[in-house]
Amino acid sequence: EVQLVESGGGLVQPGGSLRLSCSASGFTFSSYAMHWVRQAPGKGLEYVSGVTSNGGSTHYAESVKGRFTISRDNSKNTLYVQMSSLRLEDTAFYYCVKDRGAGIAVAATLDYWGQGTLVTVSS
Amino acid sequence: QAVVTQEPSLTVSPGGTVTLTCGSSTGAVTSGHFPYWFQQKPGQAPRTLIYDTSNKHSWTPARFSGSLLGGKAALTLSGAQPEDEAEYYCLLSYSGGRPVFGGGTKLTVL
Repeated sequence: EVQLVESGGGLVQPGGSLRLSCSASGFTFSSYAMHWVRQAPGKGLEYVSGVTSNGGSTHYAESVKGRFTISRDNSKNTLYVQMSSLRLEDTAFYYCVKDRGAGIAVAATLDYWGQGTLVTVSS
Repeated sequence: QAVVTQEPSLTVSPGGTVTLTCGSSTGAVTSGHFPYWFQQKPGQAPRTLIYDTSNKHSWTPARFSGSLLGGKAALTLSGAQPEDEAEYYCLLSYSGGRPVFGGGTKLTVL
């Protein structure tokens, strides 16, 4: 059974930093691209970032480019996103999502979702 | 960045049929946009219902189907059940694999 468990969310001040983790199990983590999707409370879904199966290629939404860095450790079956220069508008649930394939160059083919972790940016 | 549009809200009677649509500001939606549909119930994470226009996951009820209709991606629910009341999101992928979500459709079964 595929399981994705996010952690690392919490309260952070504007301008601060936070690193989210996603622990994966139930599939061969190193064979699949992975993504982060977020959802502000009461709002819709927003794509944040994706990384290929080998970590060699990434892409980001314009809203987070230059501030967020996605990475993965295939030896630990874990996906990360390092978030810096956080803004009030980054407040959201952050979901870790498995892709159906290894790449991200053609499409985001989102498959299994984690339960999410809440990041609150507030002074 | 492209804008993906969905009906903000729709209502369907129990046992009835409803079609949700997903349009693109760049023109007609095609299979090359790899349309996806997700269902999200209150307090839960989204789950994938339909992938690559019309393919279902093992957990997708048979009453849901995906298609291309009139230049848009479409999700049709035939024989609506009370448990189908949820928010539905579509996702389209653009050049370079850049994905964009629609704003979501709140479906009421009433």
